Amino acid sequence: AQRVTQPEKLLSVFKGAPVELKCNYSYSGSPELFWYVQYSRQRLQLLLRHISRESIKGFTADLNKGETSFHLKKPFAQEEDSAMYYCALSGHRDDKIIFGKGTRLHILP
Amino acid sequence: KAGVTQTPRYLIKTRGQQVTLSCSPISGHRSVSWYQQTPGQGLQFLFEYFSETQRNKGNFPGRFSGRQFSNSRSEMNVSTLELGDSALYLCASRAPSSDTQYFGPGTRLTVL
Repeated sequence: AQRVTQPEKLLSVFKGAPVELKCNYSYSGSPELFWYVQYSRQRLQLLLRHISRESIKGFTADLNKGETSFHLKKPFAQEEDSAMYYCALSGHRDDKIIFGKGTRLHILP
Repeated sequence: KAGVTQTPRYLIKTRGQQVTLSCSPISGHRSVSWYQQTPGQGLQFLFEYFSETQRNKGNFPGRFSGRQFSNSRSEMNVSTLELGDSALYLCASRAPSSDTQYFGPGTRLTVL
């Protein structure tokens, strides 16, 4: 069964410190993986996807098929990174997109 | 382009009633998905419609149903409301051959 697990409900990190938001998935084939972000009072929006291998707002995520993980990383946290982050998975282009329960990232000044 | 819109934004109902929520996707988007968002469960997939047909379905009881019209607008209906149905209901649309979801602001449903 498709499943996305985000083990941390809340992650507090000091400004300037590295950030790593964990995401593990369960899927029998080759999934598409995404990170979505929801800033306070804003809509949920796509942050990045593994297929594009890009860095957005300093964040990167590497797909590790052996460990079935897609952790989100940023070397130096900024206060504006405080938000709710969701990891998501899709089996193929027309498949449903399944989200994890989310991790709230709180950047401490 | 205008973003995904949802109406109403807030709704208060009592147990046993039914409710209909509406979603208008971004122009040109034919896929509309619905999610239930709660603090404990996060985002749970309800169903997805594409070209007026339900393409994917989540694990929700039959009280939750939806439909899509020829202009791609979608409605979601919940019958016999329960207290546990209180949540933020999000709608998202995506363009053909795209896997990026564009979310609406949500409808906050409170069941008393």
